[in-house]
Amino acid sequence: KAGVTQTPRYLIKTRGQQVTLSCSPISGHRSVSWYQQTPGQGLQFLFEYFSETQRNKGNFPGRFSGRQFSNSRSEMNVSTLELGDSALYLCASSQMLGAGEKLFFGSGTQLSVL
Amino acid sequence: KNQVEQSPQSLIILEGKNCTLQCNYTVSPFSNLRWYKQDTGRGPVSLTIMTFSENTKSNGRYTATLDADTKQSSLHITASQLSDSASYICVVSASRGGADGLTFGKGTHLIIQP
Repeated sequence: KAGVTQTPRYLIKTRGQQVTLSCSPISGHRSVSWYQQTPGQGLQFLFEYFSETQRNKGNFPGRFSGRQFSNSRSEMNVSTLELGDSALYLCASSQMLGAGEKLFFGSGTQLSVL
Repeated sequence: KNQVEQSPQSLIILEGKNCTLQCNYTVSPFSNLRWYKQDTGRGPVSLTIMTFSENTKSNGRYTATLDADTKQSSLHITASQLSDSASYICVVSASRGGADGLTFGKGTHLIIQP
């Protein structure tokens, strides 16, 4: 069974640009969540999608958005990039939505904003 | 405010030695506690998940303990190997919602020297 796939693995952008990251969950998993990881802050929750609907959202500005498609694949978009957006962006999938669900993480997209 | 504190921040030990990583949390209401291993440049991989009623869980050379009364957990690594070099992240789940109920520690960076 294929794991969680994130593309691209690396991205270099300049301030003010926008970026779209993609996440393909494990087959059969319906929930996808996104996280930002920086050395100083650790992992921070961005948002979670289930059945094409955003179910939960973290404390990030509106420049961060996402969506989920009918095949459970998900994308996240960051508009008007800032230097502080440089981070590893991870997505995770789980079978269902819930506090007890086991998360399976992708390898992440390393975003550098210059 | 829900918090997860891990110690030490970093640790260097010789191959073959044992080590113990600590996690203290203030998360309410508590659902489960998870330990993840994250290799450099990769996504976190689940090692153990423990609920309130479980006080020990093993996964090969990794043994996690949970004391729900004192809100402490530890991860013990036996007979360390070079491949154990990684960051170990403690994550506590509140018994509500989905991924928004997860509180992440900042991790312990473990280096195994030959």
